[in-house]
Amino acid sequence: EPEVTQTPSHQVTQMGQEVILRCVPISNHLYFYWYRQILGQKVEFLVSFYNNEISEKSEIFDDQFSVERPDGSNFTLKIRSTKLEDSAMYFCASSEEGLAYSYNEQFFGPGTRLTVL
Amino acid sequence: DAKTTQPNSMESNEEEPVHLPCNHSTISGTDYIHWYRQLPSQGPEYVIHGLTSNVNNRMASLAIAEDRKSSTLILHRATLRDAAVYYCILRDIYNNNDMRFGAGTRLTVKP
Repeated sequence: EPEVTQTPSHQVTQMGQEVILRCVPISNHLYFYWYRQILGQKVEFLVSFYNNEISEKSEIFDDQFSVERPDGSNFTLKIRSTKLEDSAMYFCASSEEGLAYSYNEQFFGPGTRLTVL
Repeated sequence: DAKTTQPNSMESNEEEPVHLPCNHSTISGTDYIHWYRQLPSQGPEYVIHGLTSNVNNRMASLAIAEDRKSSTLILHRATLRDAAVYYCILRDIYNNNDMRFGAGTRLTVKP
């Protein structure tokens, strides 16, 4: 069964450093997403991406964050200058479609745990 | 997005049915009702979704009230593997790429 993969599974970084989290969405999917989950809290939407551009972003997704699809398979989340409060589990997801009326189940990856020291 | 209200936690015995309620009294006519769950240390996974009619799939059933102000996710025979946080999410038919998760219901399944 196809699945979303994410690397690394755990990333430790120093405050102020840049990190890039990588995701390989399911190959025929067109919509890509990043979510985060701070330990013990709810899953929070960050950004959605379609046709090589951001389609929606939340208030969390500020100028420190960027997303890119550098080739036909990877989808990345970059945090330019990490802060302590960026420590969280980051989930990538993908879906075939974007609109809720069609069958557009979002498939989530296993997550990358980011620890900022 | 319209908000949903779910109990913080529920318990069930293994092999018994579980009914997980969700209230969404401000649902609009264009909101689909989606359920996802998050097993321990994993990403969320899709369970089921519906608009007006009840829905069944291999994982669960979704019962939607006639006025659509509430819905119930039904697991017909809970297993230990069903222990997870279950999220009821409303998604606008036209709008929406993102999903806004609430706190969900933490289901504990006792052997």
